[in-house]
Amino acid sequence: KAGVTQTPRYLIKTRGQQVTLSCSPISGHRSVSWYQQTPGQGLQFLFEYFSETQRNKGNFPGRFSGRQFSNSRSEMNVSTLELGDSALYLCASSLEGTDSRYEQYFGPGTRLTVT
Amino acid sequence: SQKIEQNSEALNIQEGKTATLTCNYTNYSPAYLQWYRQDPGRGPVFLLLIRENEKEKRKERLKVTFDTTLKQSLFHITASQPADSATYLCALGDDKIIFGKGTRLHILP
Repeated sequence: KAGVTQTPRYLIKTRGQQVTLSCSPISGHRSVSWYQQTPGQGLQFLFEYFSETQRNKGNFPGRFSGRQFSNSRSEMNVSTLELGDSALYLCASSLEGTDSRYEQYFGPGTRLTVT
Repeated sequence: SQKIEQNSEALNIQEGKTATLTCNYTNYSPAYLQWYRQDPGRGPVFLLLIRENEKEKRKERLKVTFDTTLKQSLFHITASQPADSATYLCALGDDKIIFGKGTRLHILP
């Protein structure tokens, strides 16, 4: 079974621009979560989607948004980029179920650099 | 606010010995606790999940304990090998999953 894929793997953007990152979950996984990872803050939860609905949201400003499509693929968007948005953005998918939901399978991440 | 603490200093362990990593949390009563491994430049890899009503869980050379009174989890790798060198993250789950910052483990040959 193919793992979680994320595109692009690397991205360089300029302050003020916007960016869209894509995530394809493992086949059969309907829950997709997004995280931001930086050396200082570690892994921070952005949001979780299930069946095209945002189920949970972390403490990030409204510039960070996401969506999920009917095939469970997900995108996240960051508008008006700031230097502090430079980070590794990780997507994780999981099965729905009492325990399964917490067994997350991560993609390789998208390394975003804002200059 | 909810907080997870893992030893930020790297842990150096001699090959063959048992490595023990600690995860402490405050202001939280999670139903689930997970441990992940992360190698440089890669996404975390799920290792083990333990429920609040379980004291201990094992998988091959890995053992996790979960003490909800102490608000602490211990993660053990027995018969450690250089290939076990990585950063290990603990995560607590209810509605949102919160990750610790991880502990870097070096297994010395």
